[in-house]
Amino acid sequence: QQQVKQSPQSLIVQKGGISIINCAYENTAFDYFPWYQQFPGKGPALLIAIRPDVSEKKEGRFTISFNKSAKQFSLHIMDSQPGDSATYFCAASNSGGYQKVTFGIGTKLQVIP
Amino acid sequence: GAVVSQHPSWVICKSGTSVKIECRSLDFQATTMFWYRQFPKQSLMLMATSNEGSKATYEQGVEKDKFLINHASLTLSTLTVTSAHPEDSSFYICSASQTSGAEQFFGPGTRLTVL
Repeated sequence: QQQVKQSPQSLIVQKGGISIINCAYENTAFDYFPWYQQFPGKGPALLIAIRPDVSEKKEGRFTISFNKSAKQFSLHIMDSQPGDSATYFCAASNSGGYQKVTFGIGTKLQVIP
Repeated sequence: GAVVSQHPSWVICKSGTSVKIECRSLDFQATTMFWYRQFPKQSLMLMATSNEGSKATYEQGVEKDKFLINHASLTLSTLTVTSAHPEDSSFYICSASQTSGAEQFFGPGTRLTVL
């Protein structure tokens, strides 16, 4: 059972464009929604995260939009750069207990010059 | 920032042997550590959660006798793959968090290849 559904699985964007990755979750107990960036052969690194008490969070070129009623959240990368080319994972967790994180399937982003 | 290291970064072993992977939190005390495995072009799958001084909690379908996890101190957790087989070849990633409910910091991963 895939608790966090992520789309698209791959994305090609031109330099300067906007990259948009969408995720949907099922478990209403989730209360922490991080996005991770992973380069080949490396572990994932936290990019930005949001809690359900806000509808949007922006950090530099990265913005998370969150729709609690629809149980959906998305990552927008503004002014996409070739250096942003990586695999992005959305995730969700219940911050109580041991904070088990459930990952989406991942989106391979390629930003072309 | 919080740094998590893993050793080795890659390892090749023969089928039937055991391999130990270390995960260390370098600049903070990790009350909880997590072990994931990731197959090529796939997502991270949680294998187990361990708290310092306690037995690890394994996810459904993960063989606890095959994947031995020890979290003996607040800065070190180890994953031992016992009697490794080619199907155990994967990218193993650990993460650590300071307190229950806190952000997880991921290690760089260990590439295991079993011949």
